[in-house]
Amino acid sequence: VQLVESGGGLVQPGKSLKLSCSASGFTFSSYGMHWIRQAPGKGLDWVAYISSSSGTVYADAVKGRFTISRDNAKNTLYLQLNSLKSEDTAIYYCARSTLMDAWGQGASVTVSS
Amino acid sequence: DVVLTQTPPTLSATIGQSVSISCRSSQSLLDSDGDTYLNWLLQRPGQSPQLLIYSVSNLESGVPNRFSGSGSETDFTLKISGVEAEDLGVYYCMQATHAPLTFGGGTKLELK
Repeated sequence: VQLVESGGGLVQPGKSLKLSCSASGFTFSSYGMHWIRQAPGKGLDWVAYISSSSGTVYADAVKGRFTISRDNAKNTLYLQLNSLKSEDTAIYYCARSTLMDAWGQGASVTVSS
Repeated sequence: DVVLTQTPPTLSATIGQSVSISCRSSQSLLDSDGDTYLNWLLQRPGQSPQLLIYSVSNLESGVPNRFSGSGSETDFTLKISGVEAEDLGVYYCMQATHAPLTFGGGTKLELK
């Protein structure tokens, strides 16, 4: 089982970014997937969830700004981050299922002017 | 939202010492399906978190059996029976019984 995030970087406040999480070693389409973030020096913070049937749930802090999606043909999970704020600066992890039994290495997002 | 309170925030231990971490929930984590969705994760320095224990007391595959979990409803404990150097890092409890999924604030295990 492997999860590999990409797409992080430095972005100005108000701008957008799209993160990807490439999955391998398991039947991606059968699993719900999460995005979790960790601000510098802080703890873990759940961001969003997408079920195997593509139902979605968001944390209040990102609702209306972030969009989670998946492409089962490409075994890839996405997180579209819009209207970014400085408080969105964090490492963003994708994780498999509500067990959280597999995590990616993380993608760093820095929101700064 | 469910608040998970972990104590202590920092734990100093010697190699071989047994230690316990507490995780208390603001609501019962017993789900209507009879399961209790309380997991424990370890984040080693510079690494991603990894699952140690799920549903209170079930050891994830490949995790050493010096780790054990117990508890019910609102009160949960992670025990390490004989700390080893590779156990150092930050331990998190997390709950998935109630939406939104939430994490405890973490307990940092250090060498004394």
